[in-house]
Parts: sequence; structure tokens; C-alpha cells
Amino acid sequence: KAGVTQTPRYLIKTRGQQVTLSCSPISGHRSVSWYQQTPGQGLQFLFEYFSETQRNKGNFPGRFSGRQFSNSRSEMNVSTLELGDSALYLCASSGPTSMNTEAFFGQGTRLTVV
Amino acid sequence: AQSVTQLGSHVSVSEGALVLLRCNYSSSVPPYLFWYVQYPNQGLQLLLKYTSAATLVKGINGFEAEFKKSETSFHLTKPSAHMSDAAEYFCAVSEGATNKLIFGTGTLLAVQP
Repeated sequence: KAGVTQTPRYLIKTRGQQVTLSCSPISGHRSVSWYQQTPGQGLQFLFEYFSETQRNKGNFPGRFSGRQFSNSRSEMNVSTLELGDSALYLCASSGPTSMNTEAFFGQGTRLTVV
Repeated sequence: AQSVTQLGSHVSVSEGALVLLRCNYSSSVPPYLFWYVQYPNQGLQLLLKYTSAATLVKGINGFEAEFKKSETSFHLTKPSAHMSDAAEYFCAVSEGATNKLIFGTGTLLAVQP
């Protein structure tokens, strides 16, 4: 069974640009969550999607957005990038039920904003 | 709101020694608790999960954790450390009826030869 796939693995962007990260969950999983990991703030929850609906949202500015497609694949977008957005972005796949199931993480996308 | 606190951002043990990583939780409802491990430049790997079925939970790689409601703790242990256990460990609690995880600040485990 294939794991969670995140693309790309590494990304370098310039301040002010926008970026889109992709996550393909484990087959059959319907929940996808996104986390930001930085040395200073640790692991912070961005949002969760379940069956194409955003079910939870963390405390991030509106520049951070996401969506989920009918095949459960998810994308997150960050617009008007800031230096502080440099982080490891992790996607987690859970399911097929709606709650409290273990999350399986991808290897992450390392975003560097210069 | 749920939260977890990990005591000790860095723990160092000798190879073969007991590993004890501490986690205390705060939750108004029976919690779902998790331990994850992260190796450098990798994602998180689930070690074990508490779902109220049993207070002593056994996980992968010889790790286990005991849920103690009276102490609001869920400490991670391993009887004998191996060099390959060197990594960062995160305790997490699931919030409400969702898959949202709230993580502790992590404990970096070093294993000395």
C-alpha cells in the first residue's frame, strides 16, 4: 500500500510569490490535514479536509488556503510569501472514518523563502 | 481545549539504558493520545496510540506507553536504548471528533555509545 506522497520535496521561492504544495493520501483515506513545522513554533495545525470539506482551520492568516479534490488529493496554497513562511510542510492522511484515527504523514515539503 | 506538555526538550541516554520520555496532557474529555517519531528530514512515524482500550499500549520498535488518568500522563518508555532510536519524539492529542492533532514541543533523544 503506497504511503502519503507530497510533492515537491524541496522548494525555493522569493518573497511575495505564491506556492502550491500537493499531497496524495493513502488510498481509501478521506481525511487530509496539513501542518507547518518550524524550529521556533514546532508543529502547528493548518487545516483539515474531509470528503472535500474543510472541517478545521488553524490560526494562520488568510494567505494560507487549501482544498481537497474528489479523489482525496489535497493542495495547499500560500500567497504573498514571507520569509517566516520558510518551514517544513507536512501532510497527514487519516481515514476512512471521520475521527480520531491515526495520521500517516508524508515526508514533507521543505519550503525556503528568500 | 486539549493540550500536551513534553518535559525535557533534550534527553540523552547510553546505549542499553532505559528510555523515558515524558508527556502530560490536558483534556476535558477522554483523550486519544499518540506518540510519533521523526528522523532528520523525514515526516512523522506513528509509534503508538491510546484509545482507551488498554492503559498500557505497546508500539513499534520496542516502545510502550502507559496512560495514567490520575496523573494525566502518557509517558513513553523503552527498556533498552539502541543507537537507531536517536530521533525527535512528539506526543500528540486528538482534538474533539476530528483528526486534528495538537502536538507537544518534542523531545530530542540522543543515544550515546
